[in-house]
Amino acid sequence: EVQLVESGGGLVQPGGSLKLSCVASGFTFSGSAMHWVRQASGKGLEWVGRIGSEANSYATAYAASMKGRFTISRDDSKNTAYLQLNSLKTEDTAVYYCTRLLNIPISRFDPWGQGTLVTVSS
Amino acid sequence: DIQMTQSPSSVSASVGDRVTITCRASQGITSWLAWYQQKPGKAPKLLIYGASTLQSGVPSRFSGSGYGTDFTLTISSLQPEDFATYYCQQADSFPFTFGQGTKLEIK
Repeated sequence: EVQLVESGGGLVQPGGSLKLSCVASGFTFSGSAMHWVRQASGKGLEWVGRIGSEANSYATAYAASMKGRFTISRDDSKNTAYLQLNSLKTEDTAVYYCTRLLNIPISRFDPWGQGTLVTVSS
Repeated sequence: DIQMTQSPSSVSASVGDRVTITCRASQGITSWLAWYQQKPGKAPKLLIYGASTLQSGVPSRFSGSGYGTDFTLTISSLQPEDFATYYCQQADSFPFTFGQGTKLEIK
């Protein structure tokens, strides 16, 4: 079964840091681009960023509002993608999802993890 | 960034109804559009990609169409399990932006 499982969410104070993990199973993780998407309570989906595969030199890209504060990385030996959240703000409170980007024949996100909740509050 | 605008924001319908949701891109994205279904407390689920290709396992009452800037998601005969929020998403260029969502409610 193709599956993604996130972990690492929790309560953190403004200005703090948190590292989220996304463990993949059931597919060739090393050949897949991985993305992070977040969703504040009652709001829509917001793309956070991505990391490409080794074939794409592990290229990263981020949403403008998160660039410089968030870092995406991966460890293909552990089938795991990471999202490092730094300098957190209250508006970063959201459920964070990881998802795989399929490119053939056309791009789409599938599957999605169950999400992990990050709450930024004092 | 490409802006994605869905309409309506919410719609009330009955089991058996035909429902159409529209998504408009701020610039042409050819067929690089996907539709997702999300139920409360759950992750989004891929329904349609490439504007009109049905994801494996998705019921045939779901269909998508469109090209360029204007797209539609149609549910031909609503079932109880279809009441959810639907999002369109462009995969033409980064950042991969989503529409604001359309909440489909029971009338």
